[in-house]
Amino acid sequence: DTAVSQTPKYLVTQMGNDKSIKCEQNLGHDTMYWYKQDSKKFLKIMFSYNNKELIINETVPNRFSPKSPDKAHLNLHINSLELGDSAVYFCASSHFNYGYTFGSGTRLTVV
Amino acid sequence: GIQVEQSPPDLILQEGANSTLRCNFSDSVNNLQWFHQNPWGQLINLFYIPSGTKQNGRLSATTVATERYSLLYISSSQTTDSGVYFCAVERSSANAGKSTFGDGTTLTVKP
Repeated sequence: DTAVSQTPKYLVTQMGNDKSIKCEQNLGHDTMYWYKQDSKKFLKIMFSYNNKELIINETVPNRFSPKSPDKAHLNLHINSLELGDSAVYFCASSHFNYGYTFGSGTRLTVV
Repeated sequence: GIQVEQSPPDLILQEGANSTLRCNFSDSVNNLQWFHQNPWGQLINLFYIPSGTKQNGRLSATTVATERYSLLYISSSQTTDSGVYFCAVERSSANAGKSTFGDGTTLTVKP
């Protein structure tokens, strides 16, 4: 019954590796997002998709590539992981004039 | 970009006390949301409130869009209210899908 589900919940990986985080929502929402929360709890938008189309692409390194195969899924692939990529990554979805529903987050630790 | 300031940054309450959290923003907004991040990291949407007043149990929120602020009221606080409260604003339909978060208010409710 989970509305927005992310996998994996925890990810520990070495510098230089490539990893993916998956997100799926079953709410029928049109828009999906990736947010990054750093160690000081600051939340910052990375990407936003509306009906599979990229609408927001903040100043994020090219190593981060989102992909939306359909409007219920938004995945995040990260190449050549760096120490500074360690953070909690949140997926969210929303519908026009309604608030966001967040997933439970993926804690990425790069060692 | 739009600036979002939340106050106070930290708040410690005794169980049963009431509190008011404030969110100021630097430009007119299309939407405004309040979130609670619990100690386990889960982000819960409390209110979608671009203007007016809403109530949900012990929580209520008021947004005065013309004066560029929003208030979140917590009455009869409980230890489960502890966590970080975020305000997030979206500046205009041209920035649809791009909510800017404040730095949050960390609330600790003591038994």
